[in-house]
Amino acid sequence: LAKTTQPISMDSYEGQEVNITCSHNNIATNDYITWYQQFPSQGPRFIIQGYKTKVTNEVASLFIPADRKSSTLSLPRVSLSDTAVYYCLVGGDNAGNMLTFGGGTRLMVKP
Amino acid sequence: DAGITQSPRHKVTETGTPVTLRCHQTENHRYMYWYRQDPGHGLRLIHYSYGVKDTDKGEVSDGYSVSRSKTEDFLLTLESATSSQTSVYFCAIGDRGLIDTQYFGPGTRLTVL
Repeated sequence: LAKTTQPISMDSYEGQEVNITCSHNNIATNDYITWYQQFPSQGPRFIIQGYKTKVTNEVASLFIPADRKSSTLSLPRVSLSDTAVYYCLVGGDNAGNMLTFGGGTRLMVKP
Repeated sequence: DAGITQSPRHKVTETGTPVTLRCHQTENHRYMYWYRQDPGHGLRLIHYSYGVKDTDKGEVSDGYSVSRSKTEDFLLTLESATSSQTSVYFCAIGDRGLIDTQYFGPGTRLTVL
């Protein structure tokens, strides 16, 4: 399974756009890229998933370059409530027992 | 939120005692997962199930066993709890395997003294 590398923490201010980049140099052909958000004392919550190029939903955008060795989660106009830990996952249907969330990126949004 | 509950939500036990955590879903999802979360490690997969009586090991399965006799219930058992198993345990459910959107339960905080 492709290992992911994310920044440990990031700071931002309300109203700004936040981009969190995840590196996954060993991504396999059948691997998808998925991002989760976790608030303190809660389970993670799905944000977005993609395979290539760009995916957008009501919460975020996911940018994946052609070589798929990295991906960027973009959160538009963050608010204080976006303060959370964000996890990047890479895996496919055959990821089997090696799916891991990694340490995640702790985003702090300041007023 | 997806219909997924965990019980108990908090438990304190002593080393060497057996512990069973329960995950219950009302969504009829095929896949169920047990993760543990520790500071500095993110979430790590313990075991998962892809159907009734069908289970497989995750990354950190040593010391844990699971059972799934009904679609809606997935049990995680620590046969003889150790202090290293002090953690927060999350159950998750999904439909399409490990790339699927997974819906997580509220977690169980287990302390082994």
